[in-house]
Amino acid sequence: NAGVTQTPKFQVLKTGQSMTLQCAQDMNHEYMSWYRQDPGMGLRLIHYSVGAGITDQGEVPNGYNVSRSTTEDFPLRLLSAAPSQTSVYFCASSWGDARSTDTQYFGPGTRLTVL
Amino acid sequence: AQTVTQSQPEMSVQEAETVTLSCTYDTSESDYYLFWYKQPPSRQMILVIRQEAYKQQNATENRFSVNFQKAAKSFSLKISDSQLGDAAMYFCASSGNTGKLIFGQGTTLQVKP
Repeated sequence: NAGVTQTPKFQVLKTGQSMTLQCAQDMNHEYMSWYRQDPGMGLRLIHYSVGAGITDQGEVPNGYNVSRSTTEDFPLRLLSAAPSQTSVYFCASSWGDARSTDTQYFGPGTRLTVL
Repeated sequence: AQTVTQSQPEMSVQEAETVTLSCTYDTSESDYYLFWYKQPPSRQMILVIRQEAYKQQNATENRFSVNFQKAAKSFSLKISDSQLGDAAMYFCASSGNTGKLIFGQGTTLQVKP
């Protein structure tokens, strides 16, 4: 049982490049989400999914796309990276949303730098 | 819209003493949940404690307890008998009808030996 895994751990991109941050969980959780963490600010929700085939926007969705083709995987795509997307990205999963579950399981994070 | 505010960017406490981290929130919803998460240097987010707004009794988890003041929209975390392993960044968060988590800015806690 690996929990929530994220790859890569670190990434440096040039402005305009695209990439996908991977997130996978092996706990059969329906609810998955992506956050970004910037210095001096709390985690902000980018996108979330309540199950395979269903995604929705969070607080800061612009510049990011997601899809949920399987229960296990929830990749985050940056189509054209910008310096403003330099941040630490966290993926999280749980049985349900924060109201109905005791624990949100967070991945170890991906530190992304956009030059 | 929900907002969560942590006004203490940094706090320090002597080992074995007690420290209280402050959090205020704003929400128009009647049914909501409040959380404290711990983020050690490993960057993992660890749930410390959770409070349902409809419950009047303050939640406790071993050395961690909250002071939930619903009318004042205040949700502070008390850590008793502080240990070196408690050093981390602590985030207050809320969740309303949408189930989304809204986080505060975080408080870095230093524990001095």
